[in-house]
Amino acid sequence: AQSVTQLGSHVSVSEGALVLLRCNYSSSVPPYLFWYVQYPNQGLQLLLKYTSAATLVKGINGFEAEFKKSETSFHLTKPSAHMSDAAEYFCAVRNTGANSKLTFGKGITLSVRP
Amino acid sequence: EAQVTQNPRYLITVTGKKLTVTCSQNMNHEYMSWYRQDPGLGLRQIYYSMNVEVTDKGDVPEGYKVSRKEKRNFPLILESPSPNQTSLYFCASSAHPGQGAKGGYTFGSGTRLTVV
Repeated sequence: AQSVTQLGSHVSVSEGALVLLRCNYSSSVPPYLFWYVQYPNQGLQLLLKYTSAATLVKGINGFEAEFKKSETSFHLTKPSAHMSDAAEYFCAVRNTGANSKLTFGKGITLSVRP
Repeated sequence: EAQVTQNPRYLITVTGKKLTVTCSQNMNHEYMSWYRQDPGLGLRQIYYSMNVEVTDKGDVPEGYKVSRKEKRNFPLILESPSPNQTSLYFCASSAHPGQGAKGGYTFGSGTRLTVV
């Protein structure tokens, strides 16, 4: 079964600092990987996705992620954090079987300090 | 606008009183799914549907029912809600994976359910 692991539950950075949110996956086949963001009291918004094309994926709001097969990782980065980036971030892998469900990590809460 | 619409957004109910959370999508998607979100657990799949009249259990189906009589609608039914079903619920839809869909899901805005 496919799975993702997000280590840690909370990351705090200063405004303007690098954002790095880690995600490692487990999959026996080439995975489809996603990062979603959830702002307070809102639904899930797709940030970016990897579907076996370019390994460096650019998303919305200045975020990007790099697929590294050798490290089974798909870490999310942003060069300069903004206060509006404070939210919960979920990494997910899409099952390639009949039930193409998304399996989510437990999520990471990003706080941005002024 | 392409969207998944859930209703209600907030619901407080009492133990044992049957309730239905509605979900509708306007993208002609075959695949629909329900998730629940709990702190520290992320999102877990409750049920899914691959097309009209085709539904199956996800990871946490106990205490829930679904139906898919029309392509656009996928209601979630709690026949006898209990306090452990207090959670944030999301409906989602996607093009069918068998048709080469590689994208993520489109999620509804969520339903926050409290069972007292």
